[in-house]
Amino acid sequence: DVKVTQSSRYLVKRTGEKVFLECVQDMDHENMFWYRQDPGLGLRLIYFSYDVKMKEKGDIPEGYSVSREKKERFSLILESASTNQTSMYLCASSSGSTNTGELFFGEGSRLTVL
Amino acid sequence: GNSVTQMEGPVTLSEEAFLTINCTYTATGYPSLFWYVQYPGEGLQLLLKATKADDKGSNKGFEATYRKETTSFHLEKGSVQVSDSAVYFCALLSGGSYIPTFGRGTSLIVHP
Repeated sequence: DVKVTQSSRYLVKRTGEKVFLECVQDMDHENMFWYRQDPGLGLRLIYFSYDVKMKEKGDIPEGYSVSREKKERFSLILESASTNQTSMYLCASSSGSTNTGELFFGEGSRLTVL
Repeated sequence: GNSVTQMEGPVTLSEEAFLTINCTYTATGYPSLFWYVQYPGEGLQLLLKATKADDKGSNKGFEATYRKETTSFHLEKGSVQVSDSAVYFCALLSGGSYIPTFGRGTSLIVHP
């Protein structure tokens, strides 16, 4: 069964802390994505990676960075967490070679920043 | 640029009612169109898709037809169940791109 796994389902952090959200996929996909989901705003793309060590900014990259050292792993980093980063974070992957367009999502990581 | 507009929710129905969730889009060229579903506490999963005009995607009793003339991809189901309660997202992917454009999602609540 194909899978995108996010390391933490729920996190509570304090303002100013550095936060790492990890995502691993087992489908050998080239493309990986980080979204945040907020009520009334839908999904907003934070960063996108189309290959190892390659990344592109999405619609709302401010306050975030990413790392992709291995093909299967895509990490989202909040250098100094703030309360307005309290949200649901969704990781996704897709095939770059077939490009059917289908994204496979993880179950999400709900982050609360106090 | 590309955009997807969905009807605002929540949509509240009784079990066995007919469902329509409207989706219209703006895109250059001929995009592929998708419906994703997000059940409570889970990530999104693909429900159905259509890749060219007049194609009909279908899955789990849901259907949507790619209408180029009206730039629409409305989701329908003839008889909803309580288990269909979820958030539904319409999305498009333009040719040559890897990054889909999502609508804001429509929450569906089905009562017994």
